[in-house]
Amino acid sequence: AQSVTQPDIHITVSEGASLELRCNYSYGATPYLFWYVQSPGQGLQLLLKYFSGDTLVQGIKGFEAEFKRSQSSFNLRKPSVHWSDAAEYFCAVLTGANNLFFGTGTRLTVIP
Amino acid sequence: ETGVTQTPRHLVMGMTNKKSLKCEQHLGHNAMYWYKQSAKKPLELMFVYNFKEQTENNSVPSRFSPECPNSSHLFLHLHTLQPEDSALYLCASSQASGVSTDTQYFGPGTRLTVL
Repeated sequence: AQSVTQPDIHITVSEGASLELRCNYSYGATPYLFWYVQSPGQGLQLLLKYFSGDTLVQGIKGFEAEFKRSQSSFNLRKPSVHWSDAAEYFCAVLTGANNLFFGTGTRLTVIP
Repeated sequence: ETGVTQTPRHLVMGMTNKKSLKCEQHLGHNAMYWYKQSAKKPLELMFVYNFKEQTENNSVPSRFSPECPNSSHLFLHLHTLQPEDSALYLCASSQASGVSTDTQYFGPGTRLTVL
C-alpha cells in the first residue's frame, strides 16, 4: 500500500539558515511526487513536482527537492529561509488510480 | 492567485442544519475533488469527479452529499453533521483524473465548525 512519511512534525530554523524537510514514500510503482505548502488559514499551494527525468527539481520560492529512489525519499530543501516561509509543508505521492496520498505535514517556524 | 475558489471561507452550523459548500475552478480542468483536513491527520480524499461523473467515494458518510453540475463547479451538501465533522474542507481540480501526470490545484478551503 502507498504511504508518505514526514518524520519531522515541527522544525524551527533561523532566518537565513538552510532548510531540509524530509519525506519518505512507500509505493510499488514509479512514484509521482509533490510538495505543497499551506500558510495558516489557506489552501495548499504547489511548490514543485517530480514525474521523471532529472532527479533534482526546482520549484517556486527558491525551493528544490531531490528524488532518491534508493532511499525512497523526496526531501525538500532551501538554501536560505525567509520569515515568509513559515508554514506547513506537505509531501504527497500520486498513485496509479490518480489519488494523492499526503503525509501528515511538517510545520516550519522561522525565528529572526 | 489561485484558480480555485471556495465559498464560504468559514461556516458554523448546528447539527440539525443543512448547508452547502461551493467550489469553482477557472482553470479549464475536468476533474474536481473534495478533501477533509483535520488536525494532526493527513488530508483525506472524500470524493472525485471526472468529467462530471463521480469516480471515487472514499467511504464517506451519507450526511455528506456531493454534486457536480458541470466541470467548473462542485458542491458539498451537508446535513445532520456531527461535531467530529468540524474540519477544513478543501476543494481541488486537475486536468483530468486518469492522466498519469495529473497535478491538483487547491482552493483556500472552508473552515467548518459543527456545534
